[in-house]
Amino acid sequence: QKEVEQDPGPLSVPEGAIVSLNCTYSNSAFQYFMWYRQYSRKGPELLMYTYSSGNKEDGRFTAQVDKSSKYISLFIRDSQPSDSATYLCAMKPQGAQKLVFGQGTRLTINP
Amino acid sequence: DVKVTQSSRYLVKRTGEKVFLECVQDMDHENMFWYRQDPGLGLRLIYFSYDVKMKEKGDIPEGYSVSREKKERFSLILESASTNQTSMYLCASSLKGGSARAFFGQGTRLTVV
Repeated sequence: QKEVEQDPGPLSVPEGAIVSLNCTYSNSAFQYFMWYRQYSRKGPELLMYTYSSGNKEDGRFTAQVDKSSKYISLFIRDSQPSDSATYLCAMKPQGAQKLVFGQGTRLTINP
Repeated sequence: DVKVTQSSRYLVKRTGEKVFLECVQDMDHENMFWYRQDPGLGLRLIYFSYDVKMKEKGDIPEGYSVSREKKERFSLILESASTNQTSMYLCASSLKGGSARAFFGQGTRLTVV
């Protein structure tokens, strides 16, 4: 079993829809949680960062961490075609230097 | 903003060639990483460096070596390129400790023919 599980998709939704992307994990020591967005043929860019549990909002994006369920989510409101990309979750324990990545979910927003 | 720069966007090399991929970061980060990314396999860590001249093997180090002579520069070396090393290579850097958010370069698409 992988430490971090992420459905690779692909996921296709109409423009304006609310998108929910999720990861589950098995290591209860994970404390730092990140979401990266990767456009085709580009490097991943850091989109959201959360420490421990709770929610964090940035514009149309909300990151949610539920440590009791070992489950993290990224919500995209009012989705746009420009949100079409692969979204990778990443996480690590306190003190660790290396991130553990999910496989990435490929998302397409249809106009 | 952190900038991580990889020397090439696209490379085509022949089987058996020695290949150098270069990465430079401008934010004085202690940690630097090399990953490869393949469809269906996600990001896989090749090597990690936490200081100058210090390195640690990742999940798939076979066929690769690295060099870090200066803090800002981390090189990935394919000693004898093979077709199964055709991939997207991504360099990243992060501060040591705490949040250790990683920042990535734009990637190098390497094709070995």
